[in-house]
Amino acid sequence: GAGVSQTPSNKVTEKGKYVELRCDPISGHTALYWYRQSLGQGPEFLIYFQGTGAADDSGLPNDRFFAVRPEGSVSTLKIQRTERGDSAVYLCASSLTGNSRLSYGYTFGSGTRLTVV
Amino acid sequence: TQLLEQSPQFLSIQEGENLTVYCNSSSVFSSLQWYRQEPGEGPVLLVTVVTGGEVKKLKRLTFQFGDARKDSSLHITAAQPGDTGLYLCAARTSGTYKYIFGTGTRLKVLA
Repeated sequence: GAGVSQTPSNKVTEKGKYVELRCDPISGHTALYWYRQSLGQGPEFLIYFQGTGAADDSGLPNDRFFAVRPEGSVSTLKIQRTERGDSAVYLCASSLTGNSRLSYGYTFGSGTRLTVV
Repeated sequence: TQLLEQSPQFLSIQEGENLTVYCNSSSVFSSLQWYRQEPGEGPVLLVTVVTGGEVKKLKRLTFQFGDARKDSSLHITAAQPGDTGLYLCAARTSGTYKYIFGTGTRLKVLA
C-alpha cells in the first residue's frame, strides 16, 4: 500500500481481556517497528522485526506482550490480560531496511488508540 | 539506557517569530532524526543527520547535529500556524538498529 496501515484505529477493551493490533507496512519494507506512545510523551520502543524475525524485542514491557510477523509483511501485536496501564497509542512504523549502517527514515502509521477500562 | 532530553517542553509563540528547540544526550549517536507529529497522526520524518557538525535546511527549518554527535537543534525562522505540532528527535547509537525518541517539544504558533 501507499502508507502504513494500522487497524483498528481505536480499541476499547475491558481489563483482563486479550487484544490484537494489526500493522500493514509499506510494500517492500523489510524492517517493521512497534512503539507505544502515552499522552504527552515521545514514542517508546517495543520491538523491531527484520523480515520475519524479531531482531530486537528488548522494549516489550513483560510477557503479556507478544508480536509476530509470520510472512515478513503484516505484523500483529498481541496483548494478553490487559491492564489499565496498557492504555496508550500503539504506533507501527516501517523502513526500507533496518539492518544497515545507513539510516533510513521511518514511515509511521496513524496508530491504534487502546483504552483499557 | 540512553536518554534524549528535549527543551523546551512547551513553546507558544506568535506568527513570524523565530524559535529554536534542542535535543540533548550524554550518548554519542551514529544518526539523529527529527519528526513532526500532529494530533491523531503518526510522526512524520523531517530530516536525518549523520555527520558531526552537519547542517541541513528544509525551507524555514534549519537542523544542526552537534560536533560530538551528542545533541541537535532545530531552528524555525518566521514561524507560521502550520508549524504547530509536536517535534520529536530520535537517535540511534552505533551497532543498534532502532531509534529511541526524545520527550518532545510541543509548539503552538498563534496567528
